[in-house]
Amino acid sequence: QQQVKQSPQSLIVQKGGISIINCAYENTAFDYFPWYQQFPGKGPALLIAIRPDVSEKKEGRFTISFNKSAKQFSLHIMDSQPGDSATYFCAASIVPTSGSRLTFGEGTQLTVNP
Amino acid sequence: DVKVTQSSRYLVKRTGEKVFLECVQDMDHENMFWYRQDPGLGLRLIYFSYDVKMKEKGDIPEGYSVSREKKERFSLILESASTNQTSMYLCASIPVGTGASYEQYFGPGTRLTVT
Repeated sequence: QQQVKQSPQSLIVQKGGISIINCAYENTAFDYFPWYQQFPGKGPALLIAIRPDVSEKKEGRFTISFNKSAKQFSLHIMDSQPGDSATYFCAASIVPTSGSRLTFGEGTQLTVNP
Repeated sequence: DVKVTQSSRYLVKRTGEKVFLECVQDMDHENMFWYRQDPGLGLRLIYFSYDVKMKEKGDIPEGYSVSREKKERFSLILESASTNQTSMYLCASIPVGTGASYEQYFGPGTRLTVT
């Protein structure tokens, strides 16, 4: 049972464009929503995260939008660059009682063309 | 910098072999995790450990076991490898306690092929 659904599976954007990746979750107990970025040959690394008490969080060109009532959250990458080409995973967790175990989405392979 | 290392980047084993994947973290983190990563399925949790000698099943524990004899080391064991265990295996660790972030630190992964 996939508790976090991610779309699209792959995404191609032009340099300077906006990349948008969407996730939906089922478990209303989730209260921590991170995005991880993975480059080929590397393990995933935390990119940005949000708690449900805010609807948006921005760090540089990366923004998380969070809609608690719809149980959805999304990653927006503004002014996408070829260096952003990577696989992106959304995830969700219940903190702190769960030991911070994460439930991941299926992943999105982003390609930014120069 | 937090460092999570995995014993092998690539591993090729035969069906039925016993396989050990080792993970070591150098930041005294309490919790450690083993995931497998497959295209279109994301990362799925196999087992995690919140203390030495303590373990809990994740979402897909069948066919796997784990060992944590020391705080810094978490091993994943495939008792009898099968072809459907061909995958990328990722280890992660996270500190716990007041003020700790919820960031999981991942190793580079071990790509296991079972033939």
